[in-house]
Amino acid sequence: SYDLTQPPSVSVSPGQTASITCSGDKLGDKYACWYQQKPGQSPVLVIYQDTKRPSGIPERFSGSNSGNTATLTISGTQAMDEADYYCQAWDSRTYVFGTGTKVTVL
Amino acid sequence: QVQLVQSGAEVKKPGASVKVSCKASGYTFSSYGITWVRQAPGQGLEWMGWINSYNGNTNYGQQFQDRVTMTTDTSTSTADMELTSLRSDDTAVYYCARVNQAFNDGEVIYGYFDYWGRGTPVTVSS
Repeated sequence: SYDLTQPPSVSVSPGQTASITCSGDKLGDKYACWYQQKPGQSPVLVIYQDTKRPSGIPERFSGSNSGNTATLTISGTQAMDEADYYCQAWDSRTYVFGTGTKVTVL
Repeated sequence: QVQLVQSGAEVKKPGASVKVSCKASGYTFSSYGITWVRQAPGQGLEWMGWINSYNGNTNYGQQFQDRVTMTTDTSTSTADMELTSLRSDDTAVYYCARVNQAFNDGEVIYGYFDYWGRGTPVTVSS
């Protein structure tokens, strides 16, 4: 089976940049997307097709994907960005989620 | 606006079955698939499978192959997910989501879940 690995936690100060990685074998050959999930809420798509932002998602969210790693970057992080983040990709007829990263804004 | 409205919370005994419904509105139902994702308490997201709303074809996650059935009804824009032989570790919030996919020669090459329901808590307890 295909695995996507994320760091369990990332801490960032308000206004600084948070980078969340997602590692998988030849992930750069696939399209990655990212979801934000706040406590008690449903996930929200924040990045799709590696770099695209859905309507309504702030410009401070950006994505990249190359080699074995996809990265979600939050520039000028705000307190409201504190949440769990999951990457996701399609492999061998299966959708796979990453292990999830808790972003704490200190 | 796109909405996915799920059925209410369920409490089941081990060995029973549960069916969760997801009613879609705000888009052409048959133009997008529906996927099901679950999340156990304090855990991450787990993909269960997806169904092609146009032709009813399904693709289930390997760990659910023997226990899950996904269906759609285009006349009511509703998707259902039934999970059988419930165990305590099936206790989770079950989400439906619209799946936006690209195809090549009829095969999915990538996809993402752009709209989600609010989730249906399912508790399995004796």
